[in-house]
This record gives sequence, structure tokens and C-alpha cells, in this order.
Amino acid sequence: EIVMTQSPATLSVSPGERATLSCRASQSVSSNLVWYQQEPGQAPRLVIYGASTRAPGFPARFSGSGSGTEFTLTISSLQSEDFAIYYCQQYNNWPISFGQGTRLEIK
Amino acid sequence: EVQLLESGGGLVQPGGSLRLSCAASGFTFSSYWMSWVRQAPGTGLEWVAYINQDGSEKYYVDSVKGRFTISRDNVMNSLYLQMNSLRADDTAVYYCARGSTWGDYWGQGTLVTVSS
Repeated sequence: EIVMTQSPATLSVSPGERATLSCRASQSVSSNLVWYQQEPGQAPRLVIYGASTRAPGFPARFSGSGSGTEFTLTISSLQSEDFAIYYCQQYNNWPISFGQGTRLEIK
Repeated sequence: EVQLLESGGGLVQPGGSLRLSCAASGFTFSSYWMSWVRQAPGTGLEWVAYINQDGSEKYYVDSVKGRFTISRDNVMNSLYLQMNSLRADDTAVYYCARGSTWGDYWGQGTLVTVSS
């Protein structure tokens, strides 16, 4: 099973600033990676698929990059609605596996 | 508008069974792979099972293999998860999701609690 590791576990950032979230795979997943946003009590929402393609409904301040084993989700100019937990997930191999999440909180 | 609505969760004793349902609307259900994903309280996510469009292909994570069965009814636009021999570590919110590689739409989830 591919192990996904996210860092940091918690990221404190002020509104209007940039947030950079990292995800590392234990072996190459090519570009077969997605990012989700989850708010308390809600289901995850797809943010990025194919490592860098933004899902409908998410603004251009959300961007994804990386391939192989190292991936990054960048949120420029944070808005209040962006503070949530973000998960990465690989779909290169079965079983599909998730990172443990990064909690993005208001500084 | 795509909607997925899960039901069937509840409290069950260890060794018991439950059947979860997911009612789909707003899209051509029979054209999509569908999945069940779970999230244990306060922890991360686990992709449990997925099924192809006509139900002929099914995949399960090892932790549920032989105990859970995924199925679908394309006439009723519904997805199911039959869960047998339930264990305490099956306690989680169970989500229905559209897709087999990622979930582009998710339901609101249904809570399954396995406890005596």
C-alpha cells in the first residue's frame, strides 16, 4: 500500500497570506493525485485532480503542483472560507490511500 | 444538481449486520463508477469499495474483504453496502462518492457505530 504523508499537521496563516501544503508518497504515483477540502461536519470536496487541475467551483487562488512523490497545494491570498482540513489522495495503485490531513487555521 | 443521499446507519453490536443505501439523482447514475469511503471519528479517510457501471467489477480494501458487499440498482439509481460481521473498528461515517479514482461528488454521510 502506498503511504501518503502530509506536512505540516497544522498550518497557521493570516487571511490574505499564502498557504503551502505538502504531500509525499512512499512511492511514485505519477500525477495520479487529488486534493480535498473538508470543513467540520461536512463531506470532503474535490479541489484538485490530476495533481494540478482545479475542480469546478474552486477559484484560481487554489493551485496544485508536483509529480512522482512530491506534491504541493498552494492557496494564495487566503480567504475566511479556505480555513479547513485538506487531504491528499493517490489513485495510482489500489488500495486508494489518503494522507492524514493538514489543518489550515487562522493565525 | 448532483445529489447523493446515504441512509441506513445506526448502532449495531459487534458481529451484527447493516445495509447502507445511497440514493443518487441529478446525473445518469448508470454511467458512473461509484464508491464507498469511510472516516472513523476524528481520523482520516479510507476508500472501502467501488463498483463499475453494470456491477460486474467490484473492489474492496483488505480490511473489509469477505465481510462487506457493494452492489447497485441502476433502475432505482441506488448504491448499497451490505456490511456483515461488523467490528468496533468499522465505526465511522460512511460516504457514498461518485467515481472510482476520486470522488467528484459526495453524500453527507451516514454514521455507523459498532458497540455493545
